[in-house]
Amino acid sequence: GAVVSQHPSRVICKSGTSVKIECRSLDFQATTMFWYRQFPKQSLMLMATSNEGSKATYEQGVEKDKFLINHASLTLSTLTVTSAHPEDSSFYICSAPLAGDTDTQYFGPGTRLTVL
Amino acid sequence: AQTVTQSQPEMSVQEAETVTLSCTYDTSESNYYLFWYKQPPSRQMILVIRQEAYKQQNATENRFSVNFQKAAKSFSLKISDSQLGDTAMYFCAFTLAYNQGGKLIFGQGTELSVKP
Repeated sequence: GAVVSQHPSRVICKSGTSVKIECRSLDFQATTMFWYRQFPKQSLMLMATSNEGSKATYEQGVEKDKFLINHASLTLSTLTVTSAHPEDSSFYICSAPLAGDTDTQYFGPGTRLTVL
Repeated sequence: AQTVTQSQPEMSVQEAETVTLSCTYDTSESNYYLFWYKQPPSRQMILVIRQEAYKQQNATENRFSVNFQKAAKSFSLKISDSQLGDTAMYFCAFTLAYNQGGKLIFGQGTELSVKP
C-alpha cells in the first residue's frame, strides 16, 4: 500500500508555455499533499502544501502565481508551472501522508521538467 | 525553526561492511518524528526507517538501525552488511506531528557508494 504516482515522468516544453504535473495517491486518500523541488545533487526543497478543498500554503519565496496548485479530490493534486522559463527546469516531487500513519510521507517518482 | 544537518556529503563502504551516516537536528519541540529516506539513481524517495521521538528504543529494519540520542539531537543510521543496492543518496528528515503541519525538513544528504 501507500503508492503515490506522478504524471508525466518527464516533460520538455518551450519557454512561455504552461505545464501541469499530476500527483495521485493510488490506494489511499490524502487530504494533504506536499510539493518539492530538487536540483541535481541537492536536497528536496518544500514548495507548498496542497490542501483538499482549500487553498494551498506556499513556502516563503515561492511564487504562488507561478506555481499553481489545485487539490481537486482526496486522491489528486496538480501543480501547474505557468509561463515556464529555463530556470524552472528541475525535478519536481510530490508526497502524501497516509491516514492513520499521518506522520510518514510517501513519495511519487518525480517529474523532470526541462524548459527550452 | 527546525533544522537538519548532515555533515558527510559523500561516503563509501566496501560490500558486506558496516557504515554509519550522521545526522543532527535542532528543535525546541518535544514531540516529533525522524526519518531516513533513500534516493537511488532512479530518484524515487524510499522510506528506510522512522523513529518517534517519544520512544527511547532505537528503531531497526533488517540491516538498517538508528542511534537516536534525543538529548544530543543526534540521529545516525547504521547500515550493516552493505549491499551494492544500498548505493544511493540518503536524506535525514524531521517532522513535527501531523496536526502541527506535517512538513518534512530534509538534511543536505549523504551520497553513499558501496564498492564491490
